[in-house]
Amino acid sequence: AQSVAQPEDQVNVAEGNPLTVKCTYSVSGNPYLFWYVQYPNRGLQFLLKYITGDNLVKGSYGFEAEFNKSQTSFHLKKPSALVSDSALYFCAVRVLNDYKLSFGAGTTVTVRA
Amino acid sequence: NAGVTQTPKFQVLKTGQSMTLQCAQDMNHEYMSWYRQDPGMGLRLIHYSVGAGITDQGEVPNGYNVSRSTTEDFPLRLLSAAPSQTSVYFCASSRLADYNEQFFGPGTRLTVL
Repeated sequence: AQSVAQPEDQVNVAEGNPLTVKCTYSVSGNPYLFWYVQYPNRGLQFLLKYITGDNLVKGSYGFEAEFNKSQTSFHLKKPSALVSDSALYFCAVRVLNDYKLSFGAGTTVTVRA
Repeated sequence: NAGVTQTPKFQVLKTGQSMTLQCAQDMNHEYMSWYRQDPGMGLRLIHYSVGAGITDQGEVPNGYNVSRSTTEDFPLRLLSAAPSQTSVYFCASSRLADYNEQFFGPGTRLTVL
């Protein structure tokens, strides 16, 4: 069975500081990893994905994520956070030939001005 | 394109009532799915479909039925609502090939009294 863990329920950072949201996964086989963001009372929006290739992937709104196979992690990062980055972030995983997507519990990010 | 649309946005039911949550997409996506979002639990997959006439169970299918008579529509039916089904429901769709990201609808907030 596949699963995702987001060890932090909340992350608080000051505007302009680096932002990191942690994600670890467990799968049988090669993972396909995704990050989504949810703003209040909205649906989920896709940020970025790792399928294969370069371990550092870049996505929307200046976000990037680093895939680390040995640590089974896929942490989301942004060098300089904005107040508008305050939202709920979800990590998700799936595997080859299985279209079911498993989500983590989510991490609430608060960026203070 | 309207993307993924869901109706209604809000619904209140009494225990034992039935209803159908509607989901439609205009992107010609083969894959469609239903999730429920509960605090601290992330998104959990209820049912999914890889094409018209094909559906399968996800992680939490009990109490829900689905059908896929067309590529565009994927309704979710609650046969006899229970308070445990109080949740926010999201429909999502994606291309089947290339492990593409899923596109989410705006959600339906359901309360069962």
